[in-house]
Amino acid sequence: NAGVTQTPKFRVLKTGQSMTLLCAQDMNHEYMYWYRQDPGMGLRLIHYSVGEGTTAKGEVPDGYNVSRLKKQNFLLGLESAAPSQTSVYFCASSYVDRGDSPLHFGNGTRLTVT
Amino acid sequence: AQTVTQSQPEMSVQEAETVTLSCTYDTSESDYYLFWYKQPPSRQMILVIRQEAYKQQNATENRFSVNFQKAAKSFSLKISDSQLGDAAMYFCAYRRVGNQFYFGTGTSLTVIP
Repeated sequence: NAGVTQTPKFRVLKTGQSMTLLCAQDMNHEYMYWYRQDPGMGLRLIHYSVGEGTTAKGEVPDGYNVSRLKKQNFLLGLESAAPSQTSVYFCASSYVDRGDSPLHFGNGTRLTVT
Repeated sequence: AQTVTQSQPEMSVQEAETVTLSCTYDTSESDYYLFWYKQPPSRQMILVIRQEAYKQQNATENRFSVNFQKAAKSFSLKISDSQLGDAAMYFCAYRRVGNQFYFGTGTSLTVIP
């Protein structure tokens, strides 16, 4: 049972480079999320999606873009990486119609921008 | 945006003892859900326990229990008989139905042998 799978696990970028993080879930969840985790700041929501073809901005969306072309996939893109985007990125998913449905997380991607 | 506050950046507990981690939240809603997540050094986010706001009974999961005080908007996590494997970062989270999750800044728990 795969759950939520994120690729890659680690990545180092130079300032100005671009990359895409891939998230895939096999639980048929409607909602998918991208968070970033920084020391002392908890998890902050970057973007989220309530269904295939829809996306919305979270708390810290600047510098990121997302796409959800298929229900099971949610992609996070960095067009021009900056050192401030050095962080651990988590993808998560959940059901929408059950409030007690928890977030199911991937194992995270550690991104370093030099 | 909702706010979730964890006022204890770090806590420590002796093995086999009990520790309580604090969490408060700000909301004007009456129907919502609260969660505690554990993040060990492996970085994996693990659900520890959940609580529905409409339920007065406090949730329990084996050695983990919560003290939910709705009027005070408080949601503390009690870990009994602490074990070395409990050492981790703990995050409190708030969710309204059909809405996003909001996380606190976390409490780092150290278990002393």
